[in-house]
Amino acid sequence: EVQLLESGGGLVQPGGSLRLSCVASGFTFSSYAMNWVRQTPGKGLEWVSAISGGGGTTYYADYVNGRFTISRDNSQNMLYLQMNSLRAEDTAVYYCATGHRATPGTYFDYWGQGILVTVSS
Amino acid sequence: EIVLTQSPATLSLSPGERATLSCRASQSVSNYLAWYQQKPGQAPRLLIYDASNRATGIPARFSGSGSGTDLTLTISSLESEDFAVYYCQQRYNWPLTFGGGTKVEIK
Repeated sequence: EVQLLESGGGLVQPGGSLRLSCVASGFTFSSYAMNWVRQTPGKGLEWVSAISGGGGTTYYADYVNGRFTISRDNSQNMLYLQMNSLRAEDTAVYYCATGHRATPGTYFDYWGQGILVTVSS
Repeated sequence: EIVLTQSPATLSLSPGERATLSCRASQSVSNYLAWYQQKPGQAPRLLIYDASNRATGIPARFSGSGSGTDLTLTISSLESEDFAVYYCQQRYNWPLTFGGGTKVEIK
């Protein structure tokens, strides 16, 4: 059974940083691209970032490019999202989600339960 | 960026009825479209990918059709567990984008 479990969320002040983690199990982690997707009541679902199975290729939504960094450790079945220069509009539930294959840019087959990030003073 | 517009925003139906949900793209997405179901307090679940292929474990009452700019999700006969919000998502180009959702509620 595929399982994804996010951690690292919480309350942070504007301009602050946070690192999200996602531990994966139940599948061959390195064989699949991984993604971060966020959800807010106002903007719905938004894709944030993707990384290839091997970790060598990354993609970002324009609104996070330069502020967020996605990475993975295939030896530990871990996915990360380093978030810097956080803004109020980054407040959302963040999900890690598997890709459909090793190459990014497909669908989101399995999702974690989500972790809340709140950016507020 | 490809904008996906879902309609209607809300669909009020009774169990056993047929549900037809629309996803219109601002430019062609070919058949590179997925549908997801989300229930309150849960993560989205993949139902359909590449416009018409059911994901693993998805019942046959869910079907997808269409290509280009007009795509459709059909639930042939609504079960109680199908009342939820449905989203479409395109992978035709970057950035990957989602529609705003259609809520299927009990009439």
